[in-house]
Amino acid sequence: NAGVTQTPKFRVLKTGQSMTLLCAQDMNHEYMYWYRQDPGMGLRLIHYSVGEGTTAKGEVPDGYNVSRLKKQNFLLGLESAAPSQTSVYFCASSYSGGETLNTEAFFGQGTRLTVV
Amino acid sequence: KNQVEQSPQSLIILEGKNCTLQCNYTVSPFSNLRWYKQDTGRGPVSLTIMTFSENTKSNGRYTATLDADTKQSSLHITASQLSDSASYICVVRPPYGGSQGNLIFGKGTKLSVKP
Repeated sequence: NAGVTQTPKFRVLKTGQSMTLLCAQDMNHEYMYWYRQDPGMGLRLIHYSVGEGTTAKGEVPDGYNVSRLKKQNFLLGLESAAPSQTSVYFCASSYSGGETLNTEAFFGQGTRLTVV
Repeated sequence: KNQVEQSPQSLIILEGKNCTLQCNYTVSPFSNLRWYKQDTGRGPVSLTIMTFSENTKSNGRYTATLDADTKQSSLHITASQLSDSASYICVVRPPYGGSQGNLIFGKGTKLSVKP
């Protein structure tokens, strides 16, 4: 049982380049999330999805797009990378979004992205 | 002002010693409060979860407490081990429903356990 898997683990982009981060979960979770983590700041939500075919904006969605074509996959895209998007990106999934213990999010190992 | 503030920002202790990490929050009431452990280069992993009405929750050498009157939570680590070196993140879920997109993350406390 792999849990939540992110690819790639590291990437260096030039300003203006595009890329897609892939998140895959094998726990049959409905909810999936993309966060970014920057030094001295808490995790911030970029986008999330409450089910296949649905997406919603989080706290810091500008410059990112997402897609959830399959329940197990959640893609994060950067159309034109900027140095401000240098960060560590975490994907997470949870069984539900309700007020229960099942709300626990399981996180991937992260993708370290540097934009030069 | 951050709704979830953690202290200290970083902490160094000797192996075998106990320590206590603090989390002050302004979100009240809330659905639940979690403590996550994040090892360097890894994603966060849940340690404990407490609802608004709970006072304490243990997970092995980790014990979380909650004081709703003072809006404080603590994570106490007993008999620390080198493997406890990590960042510890306090996370509060507001009560107004919706998805986990409403979570409020603290900035974390970085703990270093030295031999």
